[in-house]
Amino acid sequence: NAGVTQTPKFQVLKTGQSMTLQCAQDMNHEYMSWYRQDPGMGLRLIHYSVGAGITDQGEVPNGYNVSRSTTEDFPLRLLSAAPSQTSVYFCASSYYRGGTEAFFGQGTRLTVV
Amino acid sequence: AQSVSQHNHHVILSEAASLELGCNYSYGGTVNLFWYVQYPGQHLQLLLKYFSGDPLVKGIKGFEAEFIKSKFSFNLRKPSVQWSDTAEYFCAVNDLSGGSYIPTFGRGTSLIVHP
Repeated sequence: NAGVTQTPKFQVLKTGQSMTLQCAQDMNHEYMSWYRQDPGMGLRLIHYSVGAGITDQGEVPNGYNVSRSTTEDFPLRLLSAAPSQTSVYFCASSYYRGGTEAFFGQGTRLTVV
Repeated sequence: AQSVSQHNHHVILSEAASLELGCNYSYGGTVNLFWYVQYPGQHLQLLLKYFSGDPLVKGIKGFEAEFIKSKFSFNLRKPSVQWSDTAEYFCAVNDLSGGSYIPTFGRGTSLIVHP
């Protein structure tokens, strides 16, 4: 049981660089989401998807893009990294119908210098 | 939109002390309620959940939570904490009545347990 797999675990970027954080789940969950976690701010929703081909913005979407071409994968793209995007990023998935518990990936610690 | 308040941002306890962490959500209707735990350097894991039935829910590691619908609350309790309970705790709500199952998280409570 792999659950939710996130890569990479650590990343350092220079300001202006772009990159993609990968997220894959093997539980056939419809709902997938990306959060960022910053000290004192809790979890803030960046983008989410309720199924392949369907994505929507969360609380803090600026500077990030997502796509959902398959049920399994939900990559998060940083278009032009900024120091304000230094954070820990978590991908989560769950069954959409019935509002069940979320399963989280191990997180990606991103530093933008 | 639904919101979740966790009143205690930082809690420091000694081992064997009792714990209660507050969680309130903003409005009623049909909800699913969760507590997640995040140990240092790790991802969030489910501690316990409430969907329906007995409002007193028991989770892993001796934790329990009580759903009080009239108070829109879902407080987490443990009678005797251990050093290994040091972690961040998040309350979350799925508001089923709104037709959207996107969970709303509280800002978290950092618990430090001194040995």
